[in-house]
Amino acid sequence: QVQLVQSGAEVKKPGASVKVSCKASGYTFTSYGISWVRQAPGQGLEWMGWISAYNGNTNYAQKLQGRVTMTTDTSTSTAYMELRSLRSDDTAVYYCARDGGATIPYFDYWGQGTLVTVSS
Amino acid sequence: EIVMTQSPATLSVSPGERATLSCRASQSVSSNLAWYQQKPGQAPRLLIYGASTRATGIPARFSGSGSGTEFTLTISSLQSEDFAVYYCQQYNNWPPERTFGQGTKVEIK
Repeated sequence: QVQLVQSGAEVKKPGASVKVSCKASGYTFTSYGISWVRQAPGQGLEWMGWISAYNGNTNYAQKLQGRVTMTTDTSTSTAYMELRSLRSDDTAVYYCARDGGATIPYFDYWGQGTLVTVSS
Repeated sequence: EIVMTQSPATLSVSPGERATLSCRASQSVSSNLAWYQQKPGQAPRLLIYGASTRATGIPARFSGSGSGTEFTLTISSLQSEDFAVYYCQQYNNWPPERTFGQGTKVEIK
């Protein structure tokens, strides 16, 4: 069965960076992309960007351009999301989701979420 | 950037009643529209894609309709497990860009 398993919760200070991982199993990793979505406490869902696991192409939300980098490691079927220059309003649960790009452009499987807390 | 607007923000419904949720896009997204359900402490779950196609395992009481800029999610007879927050999402195919609505909370009346 398809599973996306994310890394554990993180506490970071303002200005620091965080890197969240998302390990995929149960499907051919390079046949899909991964989108990252975050949700601040009590708020809605915000799409952060997408990466192709096939060739590493990315497309980031304009709001996060310059602060976010998404990568994949096909040898371990793992996607990564790094967010730099953290601020308090980056405190959120971060989700990865399987995203088929142009062919299956919606999120049919999700990771369990990773809470990132930014606090001095 | 395409803006998605959902209404109402909160919908109070009695079990067994019908719920109708709306989603409007700031410009046409054709049928590139999905709906998700999210319960507290859980990741969202895909309900509908292509505006009207139920995802695998989704009960028939969930239906989606619309195209262009106006979309509707209907829950024909609300069950206790359906009380949750519902999000619409547009997806253009290339380059991949996705936008969520702000959500509609369906609560027990």
